[in-house]
Amino acid sequence: GAVVSQHPSRVICKSGTSVKIECRSLDFQATTMFWYRQFPKQSLMLMATSNEGSKATYEQGVEKDKFLINHASLTLSTLTVTSAHPEDSSFYICSARDWPEGEQYFGPGTRLTVT
Amino acid sequence: AQKVTQAQTEISVVEKEDVTLDCVYETRDTTYYLFWYKQPPSGELVFLIRRNSFDEQNEISGRYSWNFQKSTSSFNFTITASQVVDSAVYFCALSGTYVSGATNKLIFGTGTLLAVQP
Repeated sequence: GAVVSQHPSRVICKSGTSVKIECRSLDFQATTMFWYRQFPKQSLMLMATSNEGSKATYEQGVEKDKFLINHASLTLSTLTVTSAHPEDSSFYICSARDWPEGEQYFGPGTRLTVT
Repeated sequence: AQKVTQAQTEISVVEKEDVTLDCVYETRDTTYYLFWYKQPPSGELVFLIRRNSFDEQNEISGRYSWNFQKSTSSFNFTITASQVVDSAVYFCALSGTYVSGATNKLIFGTGTLLAVQP
């Protein structure tokens, strides 16, 4: 099946710094990528949807200036958490889809800890 | 609005028991997809099944089976002869279809933690 990678798998950063998470589709071209956040023992919450070459669409309540998403190519999307704070500590998961009716393939997730 | 309800927060069974995970959904879309995912302790989501709303046939894959009942808006998942390796959080999810013009974002339920004891 299709493979989606995320890097890094774990990151610890200090409060106030920015962190970039990469999501790559390894063997297919992803027209759409999705970013989710999952707090401990909770469900996945969609943060934003990004289409290659266009601005991301953010879900209600997600600060677009804090969570910068760039989908510059058909195989790479990045999520930058700017000025991270401890409450941003979470498990961030990306997924990618190769066509509108296609399956969403999930990455392995990135665990962010802000100290 | 779309919504997925997994009423069972946690289930504990003993190995070799059968277990059914419930999923009830709400949608105004006429066509939609239903999914089940497994999330083991490692965190990576494992895709289990996608079912189109037009296809109400039950499906069996090894020890896994799914019962789709459109009349009750349910898409239940049964594991037969459970094993310790089945221990994980299981998520049911719903999306519209692109063709229907509906949003095809995945809406997840809150998940059911299944613990299979040896």
